[in-house]
Amino acid sequence: DAGVIQSPRHEVTEMGQEVTLRCKPISGHNSLFWYRQTMMRGLELLIYFNNNVPIDDSGMPEDRFSAKMPNASFSTLKIQPSEPRDSAVYFCASSLRTEAFFGQGTRLTVV
Amino acid sequence: RKEVEQDPGPFNVPEGATVAFNCTYSNSASQSFFWYRQDCRKEPKLLMSVYSSGNEDGRFTAQLNRASQYISLLIRDSKLSDSATYLCAVNPPNAGNMLTFGGGTRLMVKP
Repeated sequence: DAGVIQSPRHEVTEMGQEVTLRCKPISGHNSLFWYRQTMMRGLELLIYFNNNVPIDDSGMPEDRFSAKMPNASFSTLKIQPSEPRDSAVYFCASSLRTEAFFGQGTRLTVV
Repeated sequence: RKEVEQDPGPFNVPEGATVAFNCTYSNSASQSFFWYRQDCRKEPKLLMSVYSSGNEDGRFTAQLNRASQYISLLIRDSKLSDSATYLCAVNPPNAGNMLTFGGGTRLMVKP
């Protein structure tokens, strides 16, 4: 099993640019999560999909953030326009029940 | 009050020591509980589930105390390789497969 696959692993971008993070969940898992981790705020849930449908997006910081899951094997998290305070590690996780399995994360730096 | 709280530590212990962490949760109707381990600059990895009856996996023991609303992780005979951050995760009621994470407890095992 390949596990949850995220790309890119690292992203450095300038303020104001659009950033797209990608995730391929574990095959057969029906839930997908986007988390953001910072030293100050820890691991925060941004959005949760179940069977490709967004269930809870209350953690999405603001309208600059959007997420899609067009099919069971792919999801994107987009930030437009990006700001320095968006710098963090973004994790995608998937699950079949409640045990979630994480991808290696995307380390985003906005300068 | 945060939904899930942990002492951030660090817990500095000598090799061979026994160390225990607690994690408190605010919603008494929470369903499932987990411990994750996160190494520096890596993703969280599932360490073990926490069952009502308690469960043990080698040197690790996890317990749930519903009356006092906390879960615990006990590590016996600490190894240098146990140095990491330990995150607890709670599945709130009516939240599907979603997990809420604590801020993590950092453990440093010294020779």
